Amino acid sequence: EAGVAQSPRYKIIEKRQSVAFWCNPISGHATLYWYQQILGQGPKLLIQFQNNGVVDDSQLPKDRFSAERLKGVDSTLKIQPAKLEDSAVYLCASSPGTGGYYEQYFGPGTRLTVT
Amino acid sequence: QKEVEQNSGPLSVPEGAIASLNCTYSDRGSQSFFWYRQYSGKSPELIMFIYSNGDKEDGRFTAQLNKASQYVSLLIRDSQPSDSATYLCAVNIAGGYNKLIFGAGTRLAVHP
Repeated sequence: EAGVAQSPRYKIIEKRQSVAFWCNPISGHATLYWYQQILGQGPKLLIQFQNNGVVDDSQLPKDRFSAERLKGVDSTLKIQPAKLEDSAVYLCASSPGTGGYYEQYFGPGTRLTVT
Repeated sequence: QKEVEQNSGPLSVPEGAIASLNCTYSDRGSQSFFWYRQYSGKSPELIMFIYSNGDKEDGRFTAQLNKASQYVSLLIRDSQPSDSATYLCAVNIAGGYNKLIFGAGTRLAVHP
């Protein structure tokens, strides 16, 4: 079974530029998550989708971050404009459902450096 | 603010010893608990989950849960240098849509 796919793996941009990350979850997984992991910290949830609907975006900086999940499969996370503090690894994860007993599986992540 | 606390380490143990990693959480309603291993430069990898009070064993790993004390731990028996990584504790938030709160992780170093 293929895992969660993400691209690109690395991205370097200047502040105020825009960037987009792509994620393809494990086949059949209805729930998709985007996390931000800053060096030395645990992953922090940015947004969660159930199929193609948002169920939690309480920690998403909506003035600069946006995300969509069209057709309930692939997802894209965008940052515009980027700030220095956005330098982090952006992790996509998926799980079969939203009940409290489903494991989440992570993709390899995208390491973003904002200069 | 729901919190998950872990000692950042490093926890240094000799090869073959038992490594004990601890985690406390603030949400009394949490029902599910996960341990992830994260090698440097890699993404988190699920190694164990536990839902009920008591112990759950999987190979060299044992997860222990005490909901009354809001405490979950991970024991690694016969530690190997390949176990050297950061171990993340994640707790499901009650009432959320399988929302996990992660601790900052404990760095484990197993030396030969």
